[in-house]
Amino acid sequence: NAGVMQNPRHLVRRRGQEARLRCSPMKGHSHVYWYRQLPEEGLKFMVYLQKENIIDESGMPKERFSAEFPKEGPSILRIQQVVRGDSAAYFCASSPIGHTGELFFGEGSRLTVL
Amino acid sequence: GIQVEQSPPDLILQEGANSTLRCNFSDSVNNLQWFHQNPWGQLINLFYIPSGTKQNGRLSATTVATERYSLLYISSSQTTDSGVYFCAVQVEGGGSNYKLTFGKGTLLTVNP
Repeated sequence: NAGVMQNPRHLVRRRGQEARLRCSPMKGHSHVYWYRQLPEEGLKFMVYLQKENIIDESGMPKERFSAEFPKEGPSILRIQQVVRGDSAAYFCASSPIGHTGELFFGEGSRLTVL
Repeated sequence: GIQVEQSPPDLILQEGANSTLRCNFSDSVNNLQWFHQNPWGQLINLFYIPSGTKQNGRLSATTVATERYSLLYISSSQTTDSGVYFCAVQVEGGGSNYKLTFGKGTLLTVNP
């Protein structure tokens, strides 16, 4: 059973460009969570999605960031007009049930903004 | 919100030594997980342990939920154990108890 798959593993963007990070949950998991790890910090919750629904986006910056989890395909975290402060590791997690229980994390996507 | 404190913040060991990492939390939890972030940044699930004791090879963990702490034991440490160990919890009850709150981590360095 494959784990949570994230790609790309590393992404370099110039200021003002767009970044798209993808996450395929574990088979049978319909709950996806995105977390961000800024340099020298622990992970912080960004958004919780189920298929075609955003359940909680309270941890996501109000501007430039968006997330989706379509009926088919991976979850996408999109960052428009990136700035240097967006440089971070972005981790995706999935779970078979929502609201409680173990979360399984992917290996992360590292975004560097030049 | 819930506070998660990990100690020690840094730990240096010689290969073969044992260690204990601690995680204290300020509220009742219904989920506690331990993770290892290796020097390449990958996050590895170690334990899902809201209560009780579990063992996996040289690693074991114990959570005493009533006293709001968890311990991670590493025996016969190896250089590949180096990295940051995070504790993360989900608050019991409430409308957003799916959120994991992470501690700041313990940076472990194992020297050959």
